[in-house]
Amino acid sequence: GAVVSQHPSWVICKSGTSVKIECRSLDFQATTMFWYRQFPKQSLMLMATSNEGSKATYEQGVEKDKFLINHASLTLSTLTVTSAHPEDSSFYICSATNQGNALYEQYFGPGTRLTVT
Amino acid sequence: EDKVVQSPLSLVVHEGDTVTLNCSYEVTNFRSLLWYKQEKKAPTFLFMLTSSGIEKKSGRLSSILDKKELFSILNITATQTGDSAVYLCAVEGAQKLVFGQGTRLTINP
Repeated sequence: GAVVSQHPSWVICKSGTSVKIECRSLDFQATTMFWYRQFPKQSLMLMATSNEGSKATYEQGVEKDKFLINHASLTLSTLTVTSAHPEDSSFYICSATNQGNALYEQYFGPGTRLTVT
Repeated sequence: EDKVVQSPLSLVVHEGDTVTLNCSYEVTNFRSLLWYKQEKKAPTFLFMLTSSGIEKKSGRLSSILDKKELFSILNITATQTGDSAVYLCAVEGAQKLVFGQGTRLTINP
């Protein structure tokens, strides 16, 4: 089956610093990658949709200058949380698909737990 | 605005019991409804439903969709402690998946 990895699996950083999270599709080419955020005991909220080679589309209320997304290749997307604050502490999950409009064919990564102190 | 609501939010039962989890939705351009199981990390796919009234079944788990009343249920029979998890319902709209809040299921031995 399709495998998506994320790195790191957890990270602690100080307030004001930036953190980069990588999402890789290991055995398929991901034309589209999605970034989700999940706060404790809440559901997954889509942050942005990223297509290889083009700018990410952000959901309403997500600051694109704060959450920088780069999808430079068909197997790698990165999310950089800039000037992180404690309220950015969350579980960040990416997913990837190579099925174009078939959104149900998303393969999820294992997630990255970010704690900002 | 697209919305997916799950109930109950939390459920605690004994091993061997049968549980029913509910998911209702309001989504424009509905394409499919998905159920996922989330333990400690990423959600794992359980079912995809697109047509009303057709039950999908996998072992002790089954699910059905009612597109007229805009809801789905997930049944788990003869529950086991390994079924303890958060169960997420998501609806595929035109541009994205919209997730419900999840139902936290705890199975006590």
